[in-house]
Amino acid sequence: QIVLTQPPSVSGAPGQRVTISCSGSSSNIGADYDVHWYQQLPGTAPKLLIYDNDNRPSGVPDRFSGSKSGTVASLAITGLQAEDEADYYCQSYESSLSGYVFGTGTQVTVL
Amino acid sequence: EVQLVESGGALVQPGGSLRLSCVSSGFSLSTYSMTWVRQAPGKGLEWVSGISESGGRVSYAESVKGRFIISRDMSKNTLYLEMNSLRGEDTAIYYCARNRGGGWNSGFDYWGQGTLVTVSS
Repeated sequence: QIVLTQPPSVSGAPGQRVTISCSGSSSNIGADYDVHWYQQLPGTAPKLLIYDNDNRPSGVPDRFSGSKSGTVASLAITGLQAEDEADYYCQSYESSLSGYVFGTGTQVTVL
Repeated sequence: EVQLVESGGALVQPGGSLRLSCVSSGFSLSTYSMTWVRQAPGKGLEWVSGISESGGRVSYAESVKGRFIISRDMSKNTLYLEMNSLRGEDTAIYYCARNRGGGWNSGFDYWGQGTLVTVSS
């Protein structure tokens, strides 16, 4: 199964900046397909956080930002808050499958 | 207001079949691509299947290809996932989600609450 690779967990103190990487390959992120990010709070459905690499849907705080370079995308959270504790997933398109792939997921912990 | 409501999840024996439904409101299925995503207990998200706004393009994950069928009924604003030859590894919460628009890979902007499918004898 093709997946995008993320660190299992990241943590930071309130107010700090954390980043989550999403590593793909030449058949997904590296093929210039857009990357999207989702936040999943415990027991709830995922929520779109960043779309098309670096765009925030209405209502998402500007503390969240995305970027992409080559085969790697990143999500940054600045000014970390307790409410940011959640699982985060990246997602892109995989040409070999003609379908989508998700990242392995990263649990963010606020210390 | 856009809403997606899944139903149809149940306990089913290995080898059995199930049909999931996702009723949409606040938009038309004819103008948005739709997707099914699942999440096994304690695990990450896995894309299952997608259908284009025209219905002319469908795709499946390798893990379900040949066993699952995605379809929709425009008159009922409902998306379906017919699941056959179910296996234990199909046990998961199944979410339907709407593609944001602007292309096949545009992100999933609205999600349902999910419906639980358990495959066990």
